[in-house]
Amino acid sequence: GDSVTQMEGPVTLSEEAFLTINCTYTATGYPSLFWYVQYPGEGLQLLLKATKADDKGSNKGFEATYRKETTSFHLEKGSVQVSDSAVYFCALTSDNKIIFGKGTRLHILP
Amino acid sequence: DTAVSQTPKYLVTQMGNDKSIKCEQNLGHDTMYWYKQDSKKFLKIMFSYNNKELIINETVPNRFSPKSPDKAHLNLHINSLELGDSAVYFCASSQGDRGTTGELFFGEGSRLTVL
Repeated sequence: GDSVTQMEGPVTLSEEAFLTINCTYTATGYPSLFWYVQYPGEGLQLLLKATKADDKGSNKGFEATYRKETTSFHLEKGSVQVSDSAVYFCALTSDNKIIFGKGTRLHILP
Repeated sequence: DTAVSQTPKYLVTQMGNDKSIKCEQNLGHDTMYWYKQDSKKFLKIMFSYNNKELIINETVPNRFSPKSPDKAHLNLHINSLELGDSAVYFCASSQGDRGTTGELFFGEGSRLTVL
């Protein structure tokens, strides 16, 4: 079945460092792809999305590009802040539901 | 005004008990979901309802029974609680007929601890 694989965490970076969180997917069709973020003690919220190949989703300085040839949707940010510390989930649509990756915990040190 | 609200936020109970978690959304969405998040943060869908009709029922024990009295409410009842049921349960909603285009709106979660 369809699935999402993302890099294991935790990822620990210093403030203002460059961030990449890898995500690859397996799907039989042409899914939409998403990054969700979960801040401590909260539910998940949509960070960005891309609905077709070569689309770039962006929000709050984060970006991800839908790469069909490599089946990837890596999350990047040029300069992270302490407030970006959270768990990040890559996800895709499959059969009228959302399938999530296992999440990557990000720690940003001041 | 909270968009997706769940109660209770915390629930501690003994094995064998029966408990319920309630969820309400005021977004006017057609579809609601229950997700289970384990201690390693892995998030797995349990159920989905569209306009009070069950449309997704993943492999979940019969002890779990969702109920949707109207499209703004989706409650989760759990019978004969087991240790392995300890998790955070998230309610979510989305627009769209019989499924989702991908944007889910989550509640804050209900942390269930079974002793």
